[in-house]
Amino acid sequence: KNQVEQSPQSLIILEGKNCTLQCNYTVSPFSNLRWYKQDTGRGPVSLTIMTFSENTKSNGRYTATLDADTKQSSLHITASQLSDSASYICVVSRTGTASKLTFGTGTRLQVTL
Amino acid sequence: EPEVTQTPSHQVTQMGQEVILRCVPISNHLYFYWYRQILGQKVEFLVSFYNNEISEKSEIFDDQFSVERPDGSNFTLKIRSTKLEDSAMYFCASSESRGAGRYEQYFGPGTRLTVT
Repeated sequence: KNQVEQSPQSLIILEGKNCTLQCNYTVSPFSNLRWYKQDTGRGPVSLTIMTFSENTKSNGRYTATLDADTKQSSLHITASQLSDSASYICVVSRTGTASKLTFGTGTRLQVTL
Repeated sequence: EPEVTQTPSHQVTQMGQEVILRCVPISNHLYFYWYRQILGQKVEFLVSFYNNEISEKSEIFDDQFSVERPDGSNFTLKIRSTKLEDSAMYFCASSESRGAGRYEQYFGPGTRLTVT
């Protein structure tokens, strides 16, 4: 069954600290993996997208890694800001059904003072 | 920066009524999608649409659902006879291409549908 699992479910960190979110997937055959940020009550916004051949990609303070052999990805947030408080969702697509994205349940991050 | 827009932001309807959710995708995009997110749950794919026909749909997208691109700009999701379990946030998305899944899908802000 094609699934995307994320950990932790929720996380609280102090402003300025770093954190790493994890994603494991069983989606096959793999096409690409995306990380989205979703503010409460809003649509997801793309942070990064990686294909099989890419093992790291950065977008400002966000750095995503991908290990296609172990089917794991991580999202590292550096020097967190209050505005980083949101849900971070790992999303995987399969080849052949590229328009159909499989979403993880997300990690809810809260950045506090 | 171009963005996907959705109307209304919140729709309340009675069980059994028909609802139409509207979306205006980004203007040069060719692929359109609907997703839903039940409160507290993950986002789920409903349907994708290209060249005036459905490309793919999920098991959720049964005969009660339909999509249409009635003109050059709008993309609509119709639910014919709403059920309580249709209460969810519905997101529209669009992409320039289906592009082997690489082309980014841009999401709208969502329509919160409440069925009473």
